[in-house]
Amino acid sequence: DIQMTQSPSSVSASVGDRVTITCRASQGISSWLAWYQQKPGKAPKLLIYAASSLQSGVPSRFSGSGSGTDFTLTISSLQPEDFATYYCQQANSFPFFTFGPGTKVDIK
Amino acid sequence: QVQLVESGGGLVKPGGSLRLSCAASGFTFSDYYMSWIRQAPGKGLEWVSYISSSGSTIYYADSVKGRFTISRDNAKNSLYLQMNSLRAEDTAVYYCARASYSSPRWFDPWGQGTLVTVSS
Repeated sequence: DIQMTQSPSSVSASVGDRVTITCRASQGISSWLAWYQQKPGKAPKLLIYAASSLQSGVPSRFSGSGSGTDFTLTISSLQPEDFATYYCQQANSFPFFTFGPGTKVDIK
Repeated sequence: QVQLVESGGGLVKPGGSLRLSCAASGFTFSDYYMSWIRQAPGKGLEWVSYISSSGSTIYYADSVKGRFTISRDNAKNSLYLQMNSLRAEDTAVYYCARASYSSPRWFDPWGQGTLVTVSS
């Protein structure tokens, strides 16, 4: 099974900050990686797919990069509505998907 | 607009059964692969099951294989999850999610979720 880890587990940041979240796979997954945003009490929302493709309707301040085992999600200028938990998901072992443990972004 | 609405969650005793439903609207349901994904209280996301657009191909996570059955009725635009032999560790919010049409490896959108609590 492919295991996913994320770092940090939580980050405190201010509006306007640049925030970077890292996701690491236990083995190479090419670019088969997605990022989701989840707000409290809400369903996850797809932000990035195929490691770096922005989902339609998602603000351009979100970007993704990486391939193989190491990936990053970057929020270029944090907005109030971006405070949430972010999950990565590997899709290399289709359809046996696994998610990372999540990174909580909260207000400093 | 595209919408997924889950129902059927509730409180059930260990060893009991429950059937979840997911009503889809706003898109051609029969064109899309669908999945169930769950989230235990305060925990992360766990993929549970996956079904092809026709229903002919089905996959399960090892944690539910042999106990859960996914199915769909394309005429009713509905997805189902029959859950038997429920355990305390099955307690979670269960989301149905639509896989991407171009590459069915990503999920968008997700329903609002339905809570399943397994407790005596």
